[in-house]
Amino acid sequence: QVQLQESGPGLVKPSETLSLTCTVSGDSIRSYYWSWIRQPPGKGLEWIGYMYFRGSTNYSPSLKSRVTISIDTSKSQFSLTLSSVTAADTAVYYCARVNGYNLDYWGQGTLVTVSS
Amino acid sequence: SYELTQPPSLSVSPGQAATITCSGDKLGDKYASWYQQKPGQSPVLVIYQNNKRPSGIPERFSGSNSGNTATLTISGTQAMDEADYYCQAWDTTTVVFGGGTKLTVL
Repeated sequence: QVQLQESGPGLVKPSETLSLTCTVSGDSIRSYYWSWIRQPPGKGLEWIGYMYFRGSTNYSPSLKSRVTISIDTSKSQFSLTLSSVTAADTAVYYCARVNGYNLDYWGQGTLVTVSS
Repeated sequence: SYELTQPPSLSVSPGQAATITCSGDKLGDKYASWYQQKPGQSPVLVIYQNNKRPSGIPERFSGSNSGNTATLTISGTQAMDEADYYCQAWDTTTVVFGGGTKLTVL
């Protein structure tokens, strides 16, 4: 059974960089694309970006200037960094597996609050 | 940028059919997926490639996609189906989500 687990700080100060890691188990991280999605409190889902282990990435146009997704195949992990955060970046952040045209496995999500 | 539009809310009685729509320009030319999200939980894929159900998803969930509209239908809606539902498609190389529909079963 594929499992994804997000980890990282739950509190980030404004203007600093948010960093999260997703650990994948039950499947090879080399076999799929992997994605980050976020959900502000009480709002809908927002796609952030995805990455393939060979290095190809694609990001949401609205976040592209601040986002980097990277992958560490030796640890079966992929990571998200979001720079210059503001209160608007407060959200539950999910990692997910991209399977064809859909996202079939999701992590439990982690709440990141941007506040001083 | 590409947009997917869903009605914000829908109410149905138990046992009735619930139909949730998702509209986007030439959406029928793309594959639509649907996700169910209950409070405090992660989204769960319930329909992919317009009309396919993942393993473990009840048969009462079905989907279609034609023209500019994709549709998720829940036949014989149960109280446990009360949740937010999101459609999703690809705009070339980017993922797009609809705004979500809150389904109330009462």
